[in-house]
Amino acid sequence: DAGITQSPRHKVTETGTPVTLRCHQTENHRYMYWYRQDPGHGLRLIHYSYGVKDTDKGEVSDGYSVSRSKTEDFLLTLESATSSQTSVYFCAIARPGSGNTIYFGEGSWLTVV
Amino acid sequence: SQQGEEDPQALSIQEGENATMNCSYKTSINNLQWYRQNSGRGLVHLILIRSNEREKHSGRLRVTLDTSKKSSSLLITASRAADTASYFCATDSLETSGSRLTFGEGTQLTVNP
Repeated sequence: DAGITQSPRHKVTETGTPVTLRCHQTENHRYMYWYRQDPGHGLRLIHYSYGVKDTDKGEVSDGYSVSRSKTEDFLLTLESATSSQTSVYFCAIARPGSGNTIYFGEGSWLTVV
Repeated sequence: SQQGEEDPQALSIQEGENATMNCSYKTSINNLQWYRQNSGRGLVHLILIRSNEREKHSGRLRVTLDTSKKSSSLLITASRAADTASYFCATDSLETSGSRLTFGEGTQLTVNP
């Protein structure tokens, strides 16, 4: 158990509405990540953070923003949800000294209708 | 494009048989990792092999790495029905910053009882 909690776990939202997914960790790790998982694409990195207020883009960052005001929380916001953002979103942390081994949360299923 | 590409995409075997999955990648790496994902769950780390290692064992898992061919294989011996899951390779590339991993699309393994 990596002490990662994602919320909400399931959400249905309408096109054009903003959506925020929350990731909370209990171990105060520096690195946190948001991935999305889609059939045929595996896991793709959206954004990551290497500390409070330190974030950077991944390979599929368009349409997403993130914030990290506290070590334990990493928020992912879909500014104006589109149907192409229907996906499963995974938050993850990296434990130091583990060779960048990543530990995942249980996922947030988002459907944009 | 995906850094790691698994082969085959799907594999179905009988309980007790061995399962072999392959992963190819494109860039120079620090290490390569294998993860497992049960249906509807997050990914779980299985094993990490560093770029200067050629083979590593963990229980019924055997991982090989050939950096000259930029490929890795995961062997699960004496498979069990409980091994049914998707398996992903992930690379920690020397060419990316920020302690990021790049995942392949995964191999869906089905072990029939």
